[in-house]
Amino acid sequence: EDQVTQSPEALRLQEGESSSLNCSYTVSGLRGLFWYRQDPGKGPEFLFTLYSAGEEKEKERLKATLTKKESFLHITAPKPEDSATYLCAVRGNRDDKIIFGKGTRLHILP
Amino acid sequence: DAGITQSPRHKVTETGTPVTLRCHQTENHRYMYWYRQDPGHGLRLIHYSYGVKDTDKGEVSDGYSVSRSKTEDFLLTLESATSSQTSVYFCASTGERDTGELFFGEGSRLTVL
Repeated sequence: EDQVTQSPEALRLQEGESSSLNCSYTVSGLRGLFWYRQDPGKGPEFLFTLYSAGEEKEKERLKATLTKKESFLHITAPKPEDSATYLCAVRGNRDDKIIFGKGTRLHILP
Repeated sequence: DAGITQSPRHKVTETGTPVTLRCHQTENHRYMYWYRQDPGHGLRLIHYSYGVKDTDKGEVSDGYSVSRSKTEDFLLTLESATSSQTSVYFCASTGERDTGELFFGEGSRLTVL
């Protein structure tokens, strides 16, 4: 069964303090690994799709990377508006299920 | 933004009553999903659909059924609601099978007393 584990559960950083969020996964034939951002009271918002090991995607202060067992979301010089819950999800090659991890709650202090 | 709406947005009901949540999308997306979100559990897949009348179970499907008679509508039914089904329910859709770019609704908060 496909599984996604995210760490840490929560992270508090000072503004400008770079860090990384981890997403470990087990899936039968990865068809895609996805990162989402969720603000309180809202539905998740899509950020990136990664398809194969070695691939990287960037958007503003965020950079996502992928290996055969995990993905990292690197946050460079974060700002308070980057505070949110970041969710990782996978889709395998057996079906069209998209399975999410529990997320990392990120809080950036001004 | 993709036009995906959920109704009702808030509902309070009693144990044992049937409840139907509706998801409506205007993007002609083929794939639609129902998730529930609870503290400490993240988003968990209940059921999904890969076409009209084509549905499959997710991780936590017990106590839930779905129907998709039209491309634009995906209904989630709790035949006999229980307190453990108190949650926030999110619907999502996508037209692209492999991008993983799900468009989410704003959620439906269900409280079962």
